[in-house]
Amino acid sequence: EAQVTQNPRYLITVTGKKLTVTCSQNMNHEYMSWYRQDPGLGLRQIYYSMNVEVTDKGDVPEGYKVSRKEKRNFPLILESPSPNQTSLYFCASSSLGHRYEQYFGPGTRLTVT
Amino acid sequence: RKEVEQDPGPFNVPEGATVAFNCTYSNSASQSFFWYRQDCRKEPKLLMSVYSSGNEDGRFTAQLNRASQYISLLIRDSKLSDSATYLCVVPRTGGGNKLTFGTGTQLKVEL
Repeated sequence: EAQVTQNPRYLITVTGKKLTVTCSQNMNHEYMSWYRQDPGLGLRQIYYSMNVEVTDKGDVPEGYKVSRKEKRNFPLILESPSPNQTSLYFCASSSLGHRYEQYFGPGTRLTVT
Repeated sequence: RKEVEQDPGPFNVPEGATVAFNCTYSNSASQSFFWYRQDCRKEPKLLMSVYSSGNEDGRFTAQLNRASQYISLLIRDSKLSDSATYLCVVPRTGGGNKLTFGTGTQLKVEL
């Protein structure tokens, strides 16, 4: 089954404790992105990647890191999480020919206290 | 003007009704547009792509008005299962994979 998976689905952590949210897709897609969704603000892009070792900032990259060492994986790293990073996070992937037609993962609900 | 703007709703309609909502965009150079559907607390899913004047898929029709810079989504014969938030998405020009998502229009279909 074609899918995008994210782990963990729910996470409660404390300020400053480094965490990683994993994202994996099995569709051999070139493009992958991370978004956060907050009430009233909609989905905002954090980072995106056009292929292995090629990443670029989205609209809200501050406080986040990403890497793309393998085509299928695109982890999101919060080196020192803060309460304003409490949000619903989505990973998405798309193919080279249909880069805007994105497949989303199920989401990760992160709470930073 | 916001890059992408949608009426948040909610639109409450009876089952079987026809409902339409609009999305306005600010970048006149935008070439393609997308509607995604998002159920409560779930991931967005692509509903329709609009590359020219419009697109139709069953009960769903998307139309593009370039002169006035808006796209519309028309749903005919609404079903209870159509209840969701509909997100308008416009790619940024200039390459890359940057998208601007509207904040969504909530639709509630009632018996």
